[in-house]
Amino acid sequence: GAVVSQHPSWVICKSGTSVKIECRSLDFQATTMFWYRQFPKQSLMLMATSNEGSKATYEQGVEKDKFLINHASLTLSTLTVTSAHPEDSSFYICSALGLAGATDTQYFGPGTRLTVL
Amino acid sequence: GEDVEQSLFLSVREGDSSVINCTYTDSSSTYLYWYKQEPGAGLQLLTYIFSNMDMKQDQRLTVLLNKKDKHLSLRIADTQTGDSAIYFCAERKSGYSTLTFGKGTMLLVSP
Repeated sequence: GAVVSQHPSWVICKSGTSVKIECRSLDFQATTMFWYRQFPKQSLMLMATSNEGSKATYEQGVEKDKFLINHASLTLSTLTVTSAHPEDSSFYICSALGLAGATDTQYFGPGTRLTVL
Repeated sequence: GEDVEQSLFLSVREGDSSVINCTYTDSSSTYLYWYKQEPGAGLQLLTYIFSNMDMKQDQRLTVLLNKKDKHLSLRIADTQTGDSAIYFCAERKSGYSTLTFGKGTMLLVSP
């Protein structure tokens, strides 16, 4: 149980285009999902917290107009990188808040590698 | 300093035990987690411990928590080559659902 999928697993795009990444909780409902960014050999940096049916909460320094997050249902959140540039190339990982025993915990997707040429 | 600190690299031989250490700064942390990340993959939740516990064992994994020293460790018994990965320690602060991650410890298991 508690499986989270991401699509696509990798994407290469031209500078200036927009890319949408999907995050789905497959066997549980998640009112809260998180989007992270990971640079090579670095830890995960939280970009935003996404709550179903409401606006996402962005971390300091993350441009909300560049990284559009939509959490339209209890099993799907999307991250759209608008007008992508090479510096946006990174590994993007989502997680969904689900139950683990008596507590809720984050279950992570497999990640999406974005390369912007 | 960083909220969560880990040593960056650990090398062990197959069959030995591995111990990965982590320190955190927030005494209000409620849960502490260990995640495993294999190359090019997302994070896999290995185990977690509630802050009022000292130890948790799950098959080959043993988590020790010293709340006084804010020190967390993950022991992997009979380490296998398939255990080679990056291991992240994360804390969850009281009142928050977000996690703060360490930089990760790369575990290399040689045959």
